Amino acid sequence: GNSVTQMEGPVTLSEEAFLTINCTYTATGYPSLFWYVQYPGEGLQLLLKATKADDKGSNKGFEATYRKETTSFHLEKGSVQVSDSAVYFCALLIYNQGGKLIFGQGTELSVKP
Amino acid sequence: DAGVIQSPRHEVTEMGQEVTLRCKPISGHNSLFWYRQTMMRGLELLIYFNNNVPIDDSGMPEDRFSAKMPNASFSTLKIQPSEPRDSAVYFCASSSRLAGDIETQYFGPGTRLLVL
Repeated sequence: GNSVTQMEGPVTLSEEAFLTINCTYTATGYPSLFWYVQYPGEGLQLLLKATKADDKGSNKGFEATYRKETTSFHLEKGSVQVSDSAVYFCALLIYNQGGKLIFGQGTELSVKP
Repeated sequence: DAGVIQSPRHEVTEMGQEVTLRCKPISGHNSLFWYRQTMMRGLELLIYFNNNVPIDDSGMPEDRFSAKMPNASFSTLKIQPSEPRDSAVYFCASSSRLAGDIETQYFGPGTRLLVL
C-alpha cells in the first residue's frame, strides 16, 4: 500500500541551526510529494512540492529533493528561525486515486531563541 | 480570495447531541476533503468528493458520521449522536483538478469540537 513515514518529534533546535526532517514513502505508481506546515491554531498550508524524481521543491528557505532511489523527500533548511516553529507534514499524492493525499504523522519543530 | 471557510470555529456539545460542521470550498475548486486531527491518531482523511460526488468514504469512522455536498460551494459533516471520542479538530480542504497541474489542497482553519 501507499504510506509515508516521518521522523518522530518533537525536534528542538536553536535559532540559526540546520534543520533536517526525514521523510520516506512507499507507493505504487509515480507519486507527487509535498511538505505541508501547520502553525499553532491554524490549518495546514503547502510549503513545497515535487512531481518527479530529482525535482527539488523550495520555499521560504526550505528545500526537499525527490529521491526515487531511496524513496525519500527529506526537508532541510540551512538556518531556522523562531517563526519556523510548527508541525511539518510530509505527504504523497497518487493521481489515479482521485487526488487523495497520504500524510505522514507530522513532526513538531520547536526553535528556541 | 477568501480561502476555505469553515463554521463554526469552535463547538462544545454534550454527548448524544447532533453536531453539524460546515465548509465552503474555494470558488472553482472541484474536490473537497474532510479530515480529522487528534493527538492520538494524527491527521485522518474521513471522506472526499470530486464534482460533488463522494469518491472515498473509507475513513468515516462509523455510521454516526455522514457527509454531504449538495452543490459545488457547500459541504456538511454531521455526527449523530456525538460521543466524547469524537472530540478533535475537523478540517475541510479543497483543490482544483486542472489538467497538467498538481493538486494543492487548501485547508480551512478547522472546527475545534469538544464533546462532553
